Amino acid sequence: QQQVKQSPQSLIVQKGGISIINCAYENTAFDYFPWYQQFPGKGPALLIAIRPDVSEKKEGRFTISFNKSAKQFSLHIMDSQPGDSATYFCAASRGSARQLTFGSGTQLTVLP
Amino acid sequence: DSGVTQTPKHLITATGQRVTLRCSPRSGDLSVYWYQQSLDQGLQFLIQYYNGEERAKGNILERFSAQQFPDLHSELNLSSLELGDSALYFCASSPGHQHPSNYGYTFGSGTRLTVV
Repeated sequence: QQQVKQSPQSLIVQKGGISIINCAYENTAFDYFPWYQQFPGKGPALLIAIRPDVSEKKEGRFTISFNKSAKQFSLHIMDSQPGDSATYFCAASRGSARQLTFGSGTQLTVLP
Repeated sequence: DSGVTQTPKHLITATGQRVTLRCSPRSGDLSVYWYQQSLDQGLQFLIQYYNGEERAKGNILERFSAQQFPDLHSELNLSSLELGDSALYFCASSPGHQHPSNYGYTFGSGTRLTVV
């Protein structure tokens, strides 16, 4: 019930291409869905987040699409750049305590 | 710099030993969260403190304990260490569990623990 499943495990995209990472959750009580970006040797950093009452949120080149009925959400990175090469984690949380349940991560490599 | 400070950055210790990891939250943040990141388990929530009180508990082993002090810094104590405890340990902070901007809290850079 607490699991968040993320795919793919790794992704290689050409510069300028679109990177798409998908996540699925089981617990319908989740009410907050953030994406985190992590570079080697650093902690995860919040990239973008969405609440379940919204189907899409866009911030610059990053877009979250959210499908409540399918219990799925995805991250789209438009015009991917080599500097976007990092590990991306989806996550979900519920309740006032706000602890995050993370997906397994996607290692994105953007080729120059 | 995220504003969340973790020390030490690296720690190498032997099995059976005890270590203490320290976290200073961002200025003004009342909540502190501890996470463990390992290759096989991914990022796992361990425990949360809010203004000195334990608020939520996740997959934290009985050999592990934490506390948050009056100045709001937090310590994670790991004892009777095993090889499998080798991991990155992250601390994160947020304004507070009731605060509307509590979402999307800030992580520190982590402590890499190696148990040999």
